[in-house]
Amino acid sequence: EAQVTQNPRYLITVTGKKLTVTCSQNMNHEYMSWYRQDPGLGLRQIYYSMNVEVTDKGDVPEGYKVSRKEKRNFPLILESPSPNQTSLYFCASSLSREGYTQYFGPGTRLTVL
Amino acid sequence: QKEVEQNSGPLSVPEGAIASLNCTYSDRGSQSFFWYRQYSGKSPELIMSIYSNGDKEDGRFTAQLNKASQYVSLLIRDSQPSDSATYLCAVRGMRFGAGTRLTVKP
Repeated sequence: EAQVTQNPRYLITVTGKKLTVTCSQNMNHEYMSWYRQDPGLGLRQIYYSMNVEVTDKGDVPEGYKVSRKEKRNFPLILESPSPNQTSLYFCASSLSREGYTQYFGPGTRLTVL
Repeated sequence: QKEVEQNSGPLSVPEGAIASLNCTYSDRGSQSFFWYRQYSGKSPELIMSIYSNGDKEDGRFTAQLNKASQYVSLLIRDSQPSDSATYLCAVRGMRFGAGTRLTVKP
């Protein structure tokens, strides 16, 4: 089954404790991205990757890091989480950056205390 | 001005009615447009994509695109309670509006 998986689905953590949210896709997509979704603000792009070892900032990259060492995986790293990073996070993959359907993971609900 | 704008709603329609959802965008060079449906607590899923001016129909859903006026709309005919969700407009594939929450009342 074609899918994007994310882990963990739910996470409660404390300020400053480094965490990683994993994302993996099995569709051989070159493009992957991370979004955060907050009430009234919609989906805002954090980082995206056009291919292995190619990553770029989205609209709200502050406080986040990413890496793309393999085509299928695109982890999101919060090195020192803060309460304003409490949000619902989605990983997505697509054939390319523009013009194609994005396939979303199930989401990770993160709470930073 | 936001790149992609949608009325946040909520939009409430009775069962069986037509629901009309609108989206405007600022980048005149945009060529691809998508409508996603998102149930509460779930991930967005594609309903339709549209690339050319005019209407595109898929079952009870019709997407309408007018590039000159920079708007794209989604019509849902014979609305069902199961259509109650937030509808997200996406331009160029990766620019999303904030979404319109639709409630279909039995």
